[in-house]
Amino acid sequence: KNEVEQSPQNLTAQEGEFITINCSYSVGISALHWLQQHPGGGIVSLFMLSSGKKKHGRLIATINIQEKHSSLHITASHPRDSAVYICATSRGSQGNLIFGKGTKLSVKP
Amino acid sequence: NAGVTQTPKFRILKIGQSMTLQCTQDMNHNYMYWYRQDPGMGLKLIYYSVGAGITDKGEVPNGYNVSRSTTEDFPLRLELAAPSQTSVYFCASEGGGTDTQYFGPGTRLTVL
Repeated sequence: KNEVEQSPQNLTAQEGEFITINCSYSVGISALHWLQQHPGGGIVSLFMLSSGKKKHGRLIATINIQEKHSSLHITASHPRDSAVYICATSRGSQGNLIFGKGTKLSVKP
Repeated sequence: NAGVTQTPKFRILKIGQSMTLQCTQDMNHNYMYWYRQDPGMGLKLIYYSVGAGITDKGEVPNGYNVSRSTTEDFPLRLELAAPSQTSVYFCASEGGGTDTQYFGPGTRLTVL
């Protein structure tokens, strides 16, 4: 069974800081997803990656398939980045996701 | 496009009551999913569908039923509500070759 572990569980940062959230998984996967859950509860997909690195604005996601590890980086963090960041893995074609418990990020002005 | 819509937003049920959580998407996606999110836990897959007329169980299907008569709609049925079903329920859809899931706003259900 694939386990998805995230660290840290909670993270408080000052505005402008560089932030890293980590995700480890236990079995081979076809893709890894990063999602953001807003304080109001809505969930949006940020990235889907199966190798290498992706960048979108101030967000960067990397994955190391051999080490079964992914990181989500936020550069020049801002209070509006405050949210829960969720890592999820998928295997096969149906896209059934296994989710981590999330990392709650709070960015202080 | 409205994306994925869910109704109701909130609901309180008594033990033993039944209800249907509605989910509709207007993106012509083939794949649809129902998840539940409990405090401090990751989302868990309840049921999923790969197309109209096709549904399958996820990780936590007990106490729930689904149907998929159209591409757009994927209702989740609770027959005999129990306190253990108190949770936030999210519907999601995926399609168009994007491998990205689009989530509805969620339904917060409390069973007393």
